[in-house]
Amino acid sequence: DQQVKQNSPSLSVQEGRISILNCDYTNSMFDYFLWYKKYPAEGPTFLISISSIKDKNEDGRFTVFLNKSAKHLSLHIVPSQPGDSAVYFCAASDRGGATNKLIFGTGTLLAVQP
Amino acid sequence: DAGITQSPRHKVTETGTPVTLRCHQTENHRYMYWYRQDPGHGLRLIHYSYGVKDTDKGEVSDGYSVSRSKTEDFLLTLESATSSQTSVYFCAIRWTGGSGELFFGEGSRLTVL
Repeated sequence: DQQVKQNSPSLSVQEGRISILNCDYTNSMFDYFLWYKKYPAEGPTFLISISSIKDKNEDGRFTVFLNKSAKHLSLHIVPSQPGDSAVYFCAASDRGGATNKLIFGTGTLLAVQP
Repeated sequence: DAGITQSPRHKVTETGTPVTLRCHQTENHRYMYWYRQDPGHGLRLIHYSYGVKDTDKGEVSDGYSVSRSKTEDFLLTLESATSSQTSVYFCAIRWTGGSGELFFGEGSRLTVL
């Protein structure tokens, strides 16, 4: 039973345009959501997060939107740059739990075309 | 830089042999995690630790054991490696007092022939 789902394995966008990556979750106990970026042969790096008490969080070119009623979050990258090409993982956790395990989605490979 | 070092970074071994991967951190963080990354599965939690000698299972713990005898080291052991354990393994730490983000090491690529 996959609690965090990224249904698009890949996405291709033109440089300068908006990239929208989507993520769905099933566990209503999740109260903290994160996006990670991963380049080949490197570890995942934290990108941006959002608490369930918010519906939007913005950091430079990156914005995460949370729709709790739909159990859906999205990452917007504007404008997209070739260096953004990477695998993006969505993750969720129940911070009320003792150990803060992160549950990850399967990832979306973003390719930004020059 | 979260001060995480994984070793070895690459290893090729044969089915049935034992393998130990090491995760070393330099900043005394309490929580440490082992994940594996596989195509189509993303990152899946194997085991985690919430203190010295305190460990628990994740979602894909079968065939793996862990030990944490001191704060800075978290060891992942495959007692008898199988081809299904060919993967990239990532160690992560959670900053004490942080909001909940995990910070990952650079990974250990294991191939079981």
